[in-house]
Amino acid sequence: DQQVKQNSPSLRVQEGRISILNCDYTNSMFDYFLWYKKYPAEGPTFLISISSIKDKNEDGRFTVFLNKSAKHLSLHIVPSQPGDSAVYFCAASLGGTSYGKLTFGQGTILTVHP
Amino acid sequence: NAGVTQTPKFRILKIGQSMTLQCTQDMNHNYMYWYRQDPGMGLKLIYYSVGAGITDKGEVPNGYNVSRSTTEDFPLRLELAAPSQTSVYFCASSYSKGVLHQPQHFGDGTRLSIL
Repeated sequence: DQQVKQNSPSLRVQEGRISILNCDYTNSMFDYFLWYKKYPAEGPTFLISISSIKDKNEDGRFTVFLNKSAKHLSLHIVPSQPGDSAVYFCAASLGGTSYGKLTFGQGTILTVHP
Repeated sequence: NAGVTQTPKFRILKIGQSMTLQCTQDMNHNYMYWYRQDPGMGLKLIYYSVGAGITDKGEVPNGYNVSRSTTEDFPLRLELAAPSQTSVYFCASSYSKGVLHQPQHFGDGTRLSIL
């Protein structure tokens, strides 16, 4: 039973355009959501997060949107750059004392081409 | 600025052998975690620790043991290696206090093959 799903294994976007990565979850008790970026042979690095009390959080080129009724979140990257090519994981947490117990999606490989 | 350091980076084990994956962090984080990532899958939590002397099971703890004797170190022990434990293992750490929760910082992983 996969509680966090990233249904698109890969996404290819032209440099300068918008990249939209999607994530769906099934557990309505999730309280906190994060996006991580991973390059080959490296560990994931934190990108951006959002609490369930918000519906949008922005940090530079990166914006995360949360739709609680649809149990859906998305990451927008504008404009996309070749250095953004990586695997992107969404993760969810129940919050409180279980904050650190993250449930990850399978990841989406983003390729930004010239 | 080392962050989270994992050793070794690669290891091949025979079925039934044992080994310890090392993890150390120099950020004075109180929380530490172990994850495994199988091909094409997301990371799954094996064990975590909220401080020295305190550990708890994650989603996939069977076949593993952990200990946390210091704030800095969180080793993961495989006692009887099985082919199903072939994976990439990531250690992570974070700081939490009250309602303050900082994101997890990850090491670069240990790629383990069991043959």
